[in-house]
Amino acid sequence: GQQVMQIPQYQHVQEGEDFTTYCNSSTTLSNIQWYKQRPGGHPVFLIQLVKSGEVKKQKRLTFQFGEAKKNSSLHITATQTTDVGTYFCAGQNNNDMRFGAGTRLTVKP
Amino acid sequence: KAGVTQTPRYLIKTRGQQVTLSCSPISGHRSVSWYQQTPGQGLQFLFEYFSETQRNKGNFPGRFSGRQFSNSRSEMNVSTLELGDSALYLCASSLGAGASEAFFGQGTRLTVV
Repeated sequence: GQQVMQIPQYQHVQEGEDFTTYCNSSTTLSNIQWYKQRPGGHPVFLIQLVKSGEVKKQKRLTFQFGEAKKNSSLHITATQTTDVGTYFCAGQNNNDMRFGAGTRLTVKP
Repeated sequence: KAGVTQTPRYLIKTRGQQVTLSCSPISGHRSVSWYQQTPGQGLQFLFEYFSETQRNKGNFPGRFSGRQFSNSRSEMNVSTLELGDSALYLCASSLGAGASEAFFGQGTRLTVV
């Protein structure tokens, strides 16, 4: 079945440093979604990418979808303490959506 | 509009017991998915229901089951509880038609003692 791998599992950065998490699927995806879960909270939708090679930006966050639609990345520029949390990718193929294990980001002020 | 509602929020059960968790999706959403979240394990997919039918299933034992009612509300049942079943159980609702974002509930924190 479809598998979605996400790395790294943990990332600790100094405030102001950049952060990137990567997501790889064993199968071609119809779309990929990204979610953020704050400590003690539940996952909240950030964005969806659908087109091959698509790049979307949300302020300091940049999301990319690979040309083959099998991988994606989320890059945060100049992290802030408010970026703390776990970032999940979710790959969708037809009606089957599978989440990556998540990357837990901690930011030292 | 109201978000996804999960009840109860917290639950303590003993080994061998069974438990039923409930999820009320956002009005108009026909898809409900269930996930188990434990520290270090991320979101483990349990199953997805769409229009009262199980559309997808993860790799969990048969002790984990679910159903969806005609009003799209869903229940998840775990029988013969084990200590390892202690986790946060999240449900997510979506429109269910093709690419659509998932809206998560606050989760039910289950502790098995």
